[in-house]
Amino acid sequence: QQQVKQSPQSLIVQKGGISIINCAYENTAFDYFPWYQQFPGKGPALLIAIRPDVSEKKEGRFTISFNKSAKQFSLHIMDSQPGDSATYFCAAAAVTAGNKLTFGGGTRVLVKP
Amino acid sequence: NAGVTQTPKFRVLKTGQSMTLLCAQDMNHEYMYWYRQDPGMGLRLIHYSVGEGTTAKGEVPDGYNVSRLKKQNFLLGLESAAPSQTSVYFCASSYSLVGTEAFFGQGTRLTVV
Repeated sequence: QQQVKQSPQSLIVQKGGISIINCAYENTAFDYFPWYQQFPGKGPALLIAIRPDVSEKKEGRFTISFNKSAKQFSLHIMDSQPGDSATYFCAAAAVTAGNKLTFGGGTRVLVKP
Repeated sequence: NAGVTQTPKFRVLKTGQSMTLLCAQDMNHEYMYWYRQDPGMGLRLIHYSVGEGTTAKGEVPDGYNVSRLKKQNFLLGLESAAPSQTSVYFCASSYSLVGTEAFFGQGTRLTVV
């Protein structure tokens, strides 16, 4: 079973628009929630991450919102740019499980100019 | 600064053949991981290692073996390749603390015919 569910699988947004990707998790032991960005032919790279003691974290145009009671977290990309076109993965890890990341299925984002 | 280096980058195998994928990291990370990436399924953990000489099974370990004889290297072996092992394989490494970034290699695209 997939412990981290991600939606949508793909989305298209106009330049300057907002991209929103949602993830839900089941394991309440998870206590680290990163987002990774992957360009074609490359390995994933850390974009932004959050711990469950805060409800929101912002870095530039990227914001994570976290809802512990609902076991959900989301990535918002503000003022989306064509260079943001990539596949985004949410992930989760637990301190009791050796930093092993459990990934969502990924969202392919296309930003149209 | 090489980071995480995977060899080879591409490989085509016939069913039943064996091969070894090599991962090398130069960041003195304690933890190393092997993931496979398949469309719509995100990245799934095959095996991981929390230190030199230790390995453990991940989510999808069947058909694979690993070894970590040196801290900087993590080898993934396929003893008898099957078409179901056609995938893109990623190696990653990180420090041991939860919440630290996992660095990924560029990937190995493996096709089993």
